[in-house]
Amino acid sequence: SQQGEEDPQALSIQEGENATMNCSYKTSINNLQWYRQNSGRGLVHLILIRSNEREKHSGRLRVTLDTSKKSSSLLITASRAADTASYFCATEGGSYIPTFGRGTSLIVHP
Amino acid sequence: NAGVTQTPKFQVLKTGQSMTLQCAQDMNHNSMYWYRQDPGMGLRLIYYSASEGTTDKGEVPNGYNVSRLNKREFSLRLESAAPSQTSVYFCACSGQGAYNEQFFGPGTRLTVL
Repeated sequence: SQQGEEDPQALSIQEGENATMNCSYKTSINNLQWYRQNSGRGLVHLILIRSNEREKHSGRLRVTLDTSKKSSSLLITASRAADTASYFCATEGGSYIPTFGRGTSLIVHP
Repeated sequence: NAGVTQTPKFQVLKTGQSMTLQCAQDMNHNSMYWYRQDPGMGLRLIYYSASEGTTDKGEVPNGYNVSRLNKREFSLRLESAAPSQTSVYFCACSGQGAYNEQFFGPGTRLTVL
């Protein structure tokens, strides 16, 4: 069963706009990770946020974590056509095995 | 460094045939994983190996077996393929314990007719 669930399932924006996708989960976690998958490729790690962190930045990426609401968000600022991909959250609990959600498909139109 | 490699890239099987998917990593990581990805389902864990010599079932292990041949290699075997096993299979590796990112291979696209 999937722990994290991303929302929305699909997102279509224009280049230059910001893209926000959310992840909700059900049980307590040690950390939450975001991955990107380009069409036909393997997943690539973007960012990891620990359960005691509330916000983390990496370049144009901003991740927040609200453990009281069991939710996280990934913000991509000033989107580019190259950001077109599927984005997955993965939650990791006591077993240290990440559990992936179904993903958000992002299309950035040039 | 190649990272995580998988062979083959594509495979078509008939129902009942067997095959082994190969995965190798040169990152010196202890933990390795096999996932399947189906449309709209995200990634589901088939088996994992926390370290050399150990393997454990994941969420969807039925119809599969694995072998952790050494620290570098982790293979996935389908003994009698079924159409329900049509999927894209990904191998991944990571450091052991918490707070470790996973590194993924390019995937094997398997079709079972």
